[in-house]
Amino acid sequence: NAGVTQTPKFQVLKTGQSMTLQCAQDMNHNSMYWYRQDPGMGLRLIYYSASEGTTDKGEVPNGYNVSRLNKREFSLRLESAAPSQTSVYFCASSPTEVTIVTGELFFGEGSRLTVL
Amino acid sequence: AQKITQTQPGMFVQEKEAVTLDCTYDTSDPSYGLFWYKQPSSGEMIFLIYQGSYDQQNATEGRYSLNFQKARKSANLVISASQLGDSAMYFCAMREPYSGAGSYQLTFGKGTKLSVIP
Repeated sequence: NAGVTQTPKFQVLKTGQSMTLQCAQDMNHNSMYWYRQDPGMGLRLIYYSASEGTTDKGEVPNGYNVSRLNKREFSLRLESAAPSQTSVYFCASSPTEVTIVTGELFFGEGSRLTVL
Repeated sequence: AQKITQTQPGMFVQEKEAVTLDCTYDTSDPSYGLFWYKQPSSGEMIFLIYQGSYDQQNATEGRYSLNFQKARKSANLVISASQLGDSAMYFCAMREPYSGAGSYQLTFGKGTKLSVIP
């Protein structure tokens, strides 16, 4: 069972370059999320998608765009990468509706991005 | 104000001993969920335990238990009989009810690094 799959696992970019992080889940979950993890900061929510066709900003959305391509896939795009976006990015999905408080998030393995 | 506070950046525990990792939270909503995740050095996020705000009993999952003190707004993780494999970062998280476009409802603390000493 693959669960949540992220690609690429590692990426090095130069300032100003663009890239897309891909995420796919095979658990038929409605809700999907993108987080970034920085040392000493825990995980911070970038964007989330409550269901196919909807996306909402999280705590730190600036510099990012997202697309919920279908129920399985949720991509994160950096249009013009900056060194401040050097981080580990996690995609996650949840089986429960966004309107209720139960249901843990299932995480991908993370993508380590370095912007020079 | 932080919604989730983990005041212990690092903790040490002797193998086979019990350890408590602290977590306090802040919410005005009566309905919420509390989660603990483990992140080993390999980097993946592993779900450990869940506690709902209306649950009468403390949650338990094997060697993990959650000491839920609602009035104090604390949700401490207790690991019994620590093992070397328990060495990892531990994150507390809270899920609040969705309140419409522009809100988000799962926030994480900054984590506690647990080191188990042989």
